[in-house]
Amino acid sequence: QLQLQESGPGLVKPSETLSLTCTVSGDSIRGNSHYWAWIRQPPGKGPEWIGSIYNNGNTFYNPSLRSRVTLFVDTSKNQFSLTVTSVTVADTALYYCARHTYRGGYLDWFDPWGPGTLVTVSS
Amino acid sequence: DIQLTQSPSTLSASVGDRVTIACRASQSVDTWLAWYQQKPGKAPKVLIYKASTLETGVPSRFSGSGSGTEFTLTISSLQPDDFATYYCQQYNGFSATFGQGTRLDVK
Repeated sequence: QLQLQESGPGLVKPSETLSLTCTVSGDSIRGNSHYWAWIRQPPGKGPEWIGSIYNNGNTFYNPSLRSRVTLFVDTSKNQFSLTVTSVTVADTALYYCARHTYRGGYLDWFDPWGPGTLVTVSS
Repeated sequence: DIQLTQSPSTLSASVGDRVTIACRASQSVDTWLAWYQQKPGKAPKVLIYKASTLETGVPSRFSGSGSGTEFTLTISSLQPDDFATYYCQQYNGFSATFGQGTRLDVK
């Protein structure tokens, strides 16, 4: 059964860089034909898609975050990662990783999701 | 960017009620729309994709309809386990956006 688990610091200072890793188990990123996504959810708000990456490194980003976000994939560790630069308090959120289903050449829905990790931006 | 607006934001209902949640897109997304259920402290879980296709294992009391810009999620007979927050998500092209959510609580 496919499972995802986020990891990384829970507290980041303003203007610094947020870095998170998602470890995939139960399937291989390299052998999987789907994309892998990061999604965040500020407290009390709806989710926001951040970006998605394929096993060959191909990426799609949310235009509103593109200038500060980079995704990486490490197929040897079955992991993919997120960095967000120049963070502010507005980046405080629950960060999820998920499989981004990819069928017929288009990105679809997200399933399954990891349990999420809370990242707080504060000095 | 395609915006999704859900209504109502909060819905109070009782076990056994039939409830409907609406999701309106700012431009056509054809039928490229999914619905999720989220319970407190948990990640969202997909219920429906392609506007009306039920995900495997999801009870048949859930149904989705619509196309273009107007969509609905219906729960035919509300069960205690259904009190949660529901989100729609569009996936038209190579981006994704979510609605702001509808919280379904006990009347």
